[in-house]
Amino acid sequence: EVQLVESGGGLVQPGGSLRLSCAASGFIFSTYGMHWVRQAPGKGLQWVSRISSDGNNTTYADSVKGRFTISRDNAKNTVYLQMYTLRAEDTAVYYCVREVRGVSITPFDSWGQGSLVTVSS
Amino acid sequence: QSVLTQPPSVSGAPRQRVTISCSGSSSNIGSYAVNWYQQLPGKAPKLLIYYDDLLPSGVSDRFSGSKSGTSASLAISGLQSDDEAYYYCAARDDSLNGVVFGGGTKLTVL
Repeated sequence: EVQLVESGGGLVQPGGSLRLSCAASGFIFSTYGMHWVRQAPGKGLQWVSRISSDGNNTTYADSVKGRFTISRDNAKNTVYLQMYTLRAEDTAVYYCVREVRGVSITPFDSWGQGSLVTVSS
Repeated sequence: QSVLTQPPSVSGAPRQRVTISCSGSSSNIGSYAVNWYQQLPGKAPKLLIYYDDLLPSGVSDRFSGSKSGTSASLAISGLQSDDEAYYYCAARDDSLNGVVFGGGTKLTVL
C-alpha cells in the first residue's frame, strides 16, 4: 500500500523558516517524481513544487520561487520542502503528492494526509 | 484567481446527473491532459479522472470525463449523498512550467 506521511508543520513567525518532510513507503520511491501541493484554509488547491525521480530537476510556483527548496533522499525514501522567509499567505495544509509515472508530470495518484503550516506572530 | 475556471457550486437531486465545467487555455488544457480530483470534507484530495477520461481502479463508473479544445467537463450520474464534496480540475501548464488547478466546485446533493 502506498503511504505518504508528512511531518514538520507547525506555527512559525513571519520571516521564519520551516522544513517539511514526507516519508514514503509501499512503492519504489526512486522511480517517481514527487510534488508538494498546498491548500490555504477554506481555499482551493495550489501546486507548489516538483522534483524529478533522480532529484536533478526541480520546478517551483512563482509565489514560492527563491524562498522554498524541494529536495529528496532516495536512500531514505523521503522528500523535503525547506521553506524560508515565510509569509502569512504561506499558511496552508501542505500535501506531499506522488505523480503517475509516464510522459507528463501529472496526474497525482497518491496524496499524504497533509501537514499544517501556520505563519503568524 | 485560478488559472482554470470552474463554477463555485453545482447541485442536484439524488439519482440525477450533474456536470462540472473547467475552462482553460492553449497553454494548459489545450496542450495537456486534464485530471480531476475529489476532496471529501476534512480529507485529502483523491484522483477521480485522469488523462481526460480515464477512471482509476476503484472509482465508480458513475464518474466520467471529457475534453474539447481548451475546456473539460466532469459528469456525475446517479447522484448519491456521499458524492457531496469539492471537485478540482488540474492540468500541466507551459506558461507557468508547473501544474494549475481550478478553483474548485462544491457539489451539493439536495
